[in-house]
Amino acid sequence: TQLLEQSPQFLSIQEGENLTVYCNSSSVFSSLQWYRQEPGEGPVLLVTVVTGGEVKKLKRLTFQFGDARKDSSLHITAAQPGDTGLYLCAYSGNTPLVFGKGTRLSVIA
Amino acid sequence: EPEVTQTPSHQVTQMGQEVILRCVPISNHLYFYWYRQILGQKVEFLVSFYNNEISEKSEIFDDQFSVERPDGSNFTLKIRSTKLEDSAMYFCASSLRDRGGYEQYFGPGTRLTVT
Repeated sequence: TQLLEQSPQFLSIQEGENLTVYCNSSSVFSSLQWYRQEPGEGPVLLVTVVTGGEVKKLKRLTFQFGDARKDSSLHITAAQPGDTGLYLCAYSGNTPLVFGKGTRLSVIA
Repeated sequence: EPEVTQTPSHQVTQMGQEVILRCVPISNHLYFYWYRQILGQKVEFLVSFYNNEISEKSEIFDDQFSVERPDGSNFTLKIRSTKLEDSAMYFCASSLRDRGGYEQYFGPGTRLTVT
């Protein structure tokens, strides 16, 4: 089973700042997904990336899939308090969905 | 927008009791899943279900667990004799396809507390 390493584990920033969180593995992903989870709720799918080098944008969120498909990043521009939550990456190759431990983001107004 | 629903939102039970957690997946989805998240830990896969049978299960999914799709809409997880360590959030998910970049949609979860 591939291990997904997410960094940083915790991030606390001021409203309006930019940030990037990372998801890495030593193995190649066939596809990767990013989820956001709020306390007491289920993960909510944000995006799926499939092609190496792919960049997808979702409003102020930019997702990038590494050229070698071993890593991915999530960049948030001008973070808002509503962005607070646990950001999870997950992959599914020939196995069921496997999640990383996540980055817990706190955006302070 | 279609969504996965789960009931109850919170279940408290005594050790040794049976519990049934219920899920209504998105209506045109074909694959159904249960995951577990112990407080402060990763979301972990339990079982996947397709065409009225289990397609894959993890080591966590032992003989105490079972899943069923009793009718065309509900998908249930039964824990026969609950243990303290079964306390966790249980998430149901569904997807249109399996593997290969498919997208799973999660329900809001059931918080199971075993005392």
